[in-house]
Amino acid sequence: SAVISQKPSRDICQRGTSLTIQCQVDSQVTMMFWYRQQPGQSLTLIATANQGSEATYESGFVIDKFPISRPNLTFSTLTVSNMSPEDSSIYLCSVGTSGAYEQYFGPGTRLTVT
Amino acid sequence: EDQVTQSPEALRLQEGESSSLNCSYTVSGLRGLFWYRQDPGKGPEFLFTLYSAGEEKEKERLKATLTKKESFLHITAPKPEDSATYLCAVQATGGGADGLTFGKGTHLIIQP
Repeated sequence: SAVISQKPSRDICQRGTSLTIQCQVDSQVTMMFWYRQQPGQSLTLIATANQGSEATYESGFVIDKFPISRPNLTFSTLTVSNMSPEDSSIYLCSVGTSGAYEQYFGPGTRLTVT
Repeated sequence: EDQVTQSPEALRLQEGESSSLNCSYTVSGLRGLFWYRQDPGKGPEFLFTLYSAGEEKEKERLKATLTKKESFLHITAPKPEDSATYLCAVQATGGGADGLTFGKGTHLIIQP
């Protein structure tokens, strides 16, 4: 399985600011995904990020709020824009490998918005 | 809309006391059902993938089974290190959607 790292591991941000979360994988992967895990809730898919194409967003998530970049097969970023306390959550990236359907997750970024 | 419901929400067992966790799902077409383990402050750790009804997979003290409507994660003679939140997720076929739909998880505590 791939080794996935995320930066930062945690952050405390002020309302109205933006934070960019990085996801780095130790091998080339086709599919990368971004999830949100709010307290007491299940993981929710934000978007799918495939290299060379625009990210595909799930219902309830928009590009202006969560812009995503995928410049190559080992790296992606998720930006949480114009943050409010409701954005306080754990943000996780995951990767999928071709020929298999399971996904492997990074350690997550714990975001607190004050 | 795909849905995953896990029960119980929390389970406390004595060391060595076997039990099962349930995952009920509704999906238009099932590509795969996944079990993950999540420890506090960490990302989910992949355990199993099940693809069709009747399939079973085992890993140490864990055994996952699948029917057309639900999956069970059986834990045999658990140890304190098995304490974690266990997550179930489904992936639907078609439409090019590869993301997973997760349940809320079962928080398992194994007491020595």
